[in-house]
Amino acid sequence: DAKTTQPPSMDCAEGRAANLPCNHSTISGNEYVYWYRQIHSQGPQYIIHGLKNNETNEMASLIITEDRKSSTLILPHATLRDTAVYYCIAFGSSNTGKLIFGQGTTLQVKP
Amino acid sequence: NAGVMQNPRHLVRRRGQEARLRCSPMKGHSHVYWYRQLPEEGLKFMVYLQKENIIDESGMPKERFSAEFPKEGPSILRIQQVVRGDSAAYFCASSPGTSGRSGEQYFGPGTRLTVT
Repeated sequence: DAKTTQPPSMDCAEGRAANLPCNHSTISGNEYVYWYRQIHSQGPQYIIHGLKNNETNEMASLIITEDRKSSTLILPHATLRDTAVYYCIAFGSSNTGKLIFGQGTTLQVKP
Repeated sequence: NAGVMQNPRHLVRRRGQEARLRCSPMKGHSHVYWYRQLPEEGLKFMVYLQKENIIDESGMPKERFSAEFPKEGPSILRIQQVVRGDSAAYFCASSPGTSGRSGEQYFGPGTRLTVT
């Protein structure tokens, strides 16, 4: 079972920042927070991950609260191509490699 | 730098036939994972393999399904005697497997299996 909860859907205006929340109140100390997205029926795409520090890459920023019970994925300037289902996943050594995908958040970027 | 490759992209099989799905991981990746996405459902883990070893097959159906990742060549997911309920998208992923990055998996485009 997924250890994270996300809102089922969100809208965002094109060009604005998209902030996608995720709750993971039962995350273990050695578990990372990973974000993936799936555009339409394509293969999932890795976005970013972090343990406790905020992270940024060319795609997005990840903000993790100090108590690590929640995080926010930020797409700074959303485009129509960012319309996808976004998955927040808690992953650690006990996962033995398996990613457990929940229902995710369907982000609709509107013109 | 080629990504994860899967073939065929679409596969149609009649009930009772065998389906073979192939996956070539990214260059330098020695860890392969298979996931299945049934219509209108989420992605489910099936199996995790390293070269010549099955690490975790806890998501594999007990019968008719098998997977391998030989020393040479692609990883193969084999489904024997397919049934209509096997119709789904099958995704392969690979990772470098290094500590702290084993959750960083790169997915292929998937194989859409249709059983008629």
